Amino acid sequence: AQSVTQPDIHITVSEGASLELRCNYSYGATPYLFWYVQSPGQGLQLLLKYFSGDTLVQGIKGFEAEFKRSQSSFNLRKPSVHWSDAAEYFCAVGATGFQKLVFGTGTRLLVSP
Amino acid sequence: SQTIHQWPATLVQPVGSPLSLECTVEGTSNPNLYWYRQAAGRGLQLLFYSVGIGQISSEVPQNLSASRPQDRQFILSSKKLLLSDSGFYLCAWRAGGTQGNSPLHFGNGTRLTVT
Repeated sequence: AQSVTQPDIHITVSEGASLELRCNYSYGATPYLFWYVQSPGQGLQLLLKYFSGDTLVQGIKGFEAEFKRSQSSFNLRKPSVHWSDAAEYFCAVGATGFQKLVFGTGTRLLVSP
Repeated sequence: SQTIHQWPATLVQPVGSPLSLECTVEGTSNPNLYWYRQAAGRGLQLLFYSVGIGQISSEVPQNLSASRPQDRQFILSSKKLLLSDSGFYLCAWRAGGTQGNSPLHFGNGTRLTVT
């Protein structure tokens, strides 16, 4: 079965600084990986997804993520954080033949002025 | 394009009262449908999912039930609410089939407070 770990519960970043949110997954075959963002009181919005091919994927809002098979990781990055990026971020993994996505517990991003 | 509608946005209900939350999807056929719950400060808990009309899979035995009376309609219900049912309820859909690479698309959620 798949599993996802987001080791950081909270992260605080200064506005304009770079950001990296960690995600580690466990799955025996090639996973399908997703990052979502949730603003307070809202649903989850898909930021980006990885299926195959280029291990660096670009998403919306200036985010990117890199799939590293050797490290079982799919970390989310952004070169320069804006105050509007403050939200909760969820990593998720899927697999062929499975009807469900498995989500991590989320990382709450705080942006300081 | 596909859209998902979830209502109501907020709901305050007394303990012991019934519950009905509705979710509909437009612009796609035979989607997989999901109900999630978020308790305050916690992650996503999958409650139910459905791969077709009348087909419901329950992930967590509890005070809730789900039904799918039409292809693009998913309903979350309870006969008698408990305080512990309070939370943020999210409906989601993804393309049907067994391809795991389909992302989930979420509604805007319902904030349920049981008093």
